[in-house]
Amino acid sequence: DTAVSQTPKYLVTQMGNDKSIKCEQNLGHDTMYWYKQDSKKFLKIMFSYNNKELIINETVPNRFSPKSPDKAHLNLHINSLELGDSAVYFCASRPWVQGDYGYTFGSGTRLTVV
Amino acid sequence: SQELEQSPQSLIVQEGKNLTINCTSSKTLYGLYWYKQKYGEGLIFLMMLQKGGEEKSHEKITAKLDEKKQQSSLHITASQPSHAGIYLCGADIQGAQKLVFGQGTRLTINP
Repeated sequence: DTAVSQTPKYLVTQMGNDKSIKCEQNLGHDTMYWYKQDSKKFLKIMFSYNNKELIINETVPNRFSPKSPDKAHLNLHINSLELGDSAVYFCASRPWVQGDYGYTFGSGTRLTVV
Repeated sequence: SQELEQSPQSLIVQEGKNLTINCTSSKTLYGLYWYKQKYGEGLIFLMMLQKGGEEKSHEKITAKLDEKKQQSSLHITASQPSHAGIYLCGADIQGAQKLVFGQGTRLTINP
């Protein structure tokens, strides 16, 4: 029943490793997002896809590569992880035409790089 | 500078007291969202405002968007410990098709 689900919920990994976070939404939404929440709780957009097409790419290092195999999935792959990548990553989705509830967020993936 | 300024950044109130959190932009807000986040958890959608002058309430929480659509306030009446958490305002600014967030307000309720 979960509308936007992210896996894993927690991820602890060493510097230099490559890792992926997965996101799936069952709401039929056209647009999906990745947001990063830093240690001060500030949420900032990273990427947005509309129907598998990249539409927003905020100044994110190219070690971060999003992939959308279909409009219900948006995965985030991170190469050569650095300490500064430690954060909570949130996936979100919304319909192309906004309705009353607009954006729906996943429960987040807490990434810790050691 | 932030596109959305949220204030205060931190708020400690006695249980039962009223409180207000503000969210301000120098640009027109095309959709203003309020979310609540408990530590280590995801974002809980509270309310969305779109029209100038709009006001919505849910239980003891009321959110307003001013006529100019540049400022929103979230008001909690008779606060309870369950209201504690981080409150985030997010907005579509000038139809940018993304949510921009304020810095968040950390609310603590003292018994």
